[in-house]
Amino acid sequence: GNSVTQMEGPVTLSEEAFLTINCTYTATGYPSLFWYVQYPGEGLQLLLKATKADDKGSNKGFEATYRKETTSFHLEKGSVQVSDSAVYFCALSGPNNNDMRFGAGTRLTVKP
Amino acid sequence: NAGVTQTPKFRVLKTGQSMTLLCAQDMNHEYMYWYRQDPGMGLRLIHYSVGEGTTAKGEVPDGYNVSRLKKQNFLLGLESAAPSQTSVYFCASSYVQQETQYFGPGTRLLVL
Repeated sequence: GNSVTQMEGPVTLSEEAFLTINCTYTATGYPSLFWYVQYPGEGLQLLLKATKADDKGSNKGFEATYRKETTSFHLEKGSVQVSDSAVYFCALSGPNNNDMRFGAGTRLTVKP
Repeated sequence: NAGVTQTPKFRVLKTGQSMTLLCAQDMNHEYMYWYRQDPGMGLRLIHYSVGEGTTAKGEVPDGYNVSRLKKQNFLLGLESAAPSQTSVYFCASSYVQQETQYFGPGTRLLVL
């Protein structure tokens, strides 16, 4: 079945450092891929998404490119801020199932 | 626009007690979902619904029941709570499959 594997955390970075969180997936067909972010005490919210191969999702300085050949959707940001401290989830949806599959989550802490 | 709301925010139960978690959305979404979030395991789907009057099992349905009598509401029931059901429960909704899911703020449940 469909599944997502993402880089284990926690990840601790200094402010303005470069961030990469790896995510790979297993799926039949062409799923949609997502990154969600969860701030402390809150629900998940969409950070970015891509719905077909080679699409790049971007938001708030974060980017991820849908790579069909490597089945990956790695999250990157060139310069992290303290306010980016959160848990990040990679996820995929469809096309052969009705639910969304999530990775285990990666906790990011950014220190000033 | 409240989005997705969940009640209660926090609850403590004794083993064997029952309770119902309520999820409501005001976005006219067809799809609704219940997840549980446990440390190191990401989100796991309990049950979902593809429209009013429909429900289906997800990845971890045992010990839970659901109902979707109205399009905007999705109820999650625990008939006889067990300590293994201690978790944070999230409700989500989406307009169509493979599209962005919108999450509620979560319900923290402790079963003693």
